[in-house]
Amino acid sequence: EADIYQTPRYLVIGTGKKITLECSQTMGHDKMYWYQQDPGMELHLIHYSYGVNSTEKGDLSSESTVSRIRTEHFPLTLESARPSHTSQYLCASSDLQDSTDTQYFGPGTRLTVL
Amino acid sequence: DQQVKQNSPSLSVQEGRISILNCDYTNSMFDYFLWYKKYPAEGPTFLISISSIKDKNEDGRFTVFLNKSAKHLSLHIVPSQPGDSAVYFCAASSGAGSYQLTFGKGTKLSVIP
Repeated sequence: EADIYQTPRYLVIGTGKKITLECSQTMGHDKMYWYQQDPGMELHLIHYSYGVNSTEKGDLSSESTVSRIRTEHFPLTLESARPSHTSQYLCASSDLQDSTDTQYFGPGTRLTVL
Repeated sequence: DQQVKQNSPSLSVQEGRISILNCDYTNSMFDYFLWYKKYPAEGPTFLISISSIKDKNEDGRFTVFLNKSAKHLSLHIVPSQPGDSAVYFCAASSGAGSYQLTFGKGTKLSVIP
């Protein structure tokens, strides 16, 4: 089982603030992902990475940006938070050698923008 | 259009009985299917998976069945326990080289003591 960590777990912030959601994994997985999920809805992929210096946008358009400078670290940044960004953000990772693409998730960050 | 559908938003089952969660898919390119369990305010936890070359995979109390011709899979939990109460997500992958999983909207299972 992957060890993957997200901080903060909960964040309440005012409109217009810049925020960074942290995600780290200790499994040495090359692939990492960010999903957004609202209650009763499916998980929507917003960003993914195949490895260091690789970042791609997912299916759901997002105003956030990501970076991948180190294998274990995949932070997500919102330059100017808005109430529409209120959601749960889930980070995941998987082994590039695993053809099944089984992804392992962190505990999530619940973001509320006032 | 949703490629992975979980048509039952919720399911209630008595403790000790069988829970059956269903999932339908439309994309014939999917060749690997996964079930995740999610508690409130936590991330999804991988539960069990099945390759499209199989029709059944079992792990303890959990069994997943795949009917490729019907594009349907189901997760059976026997016997159900109160700790199984959670939201269960079905997910599908088109295999090697794919960059993502496609998720259903989830089914909330409540196991009543």
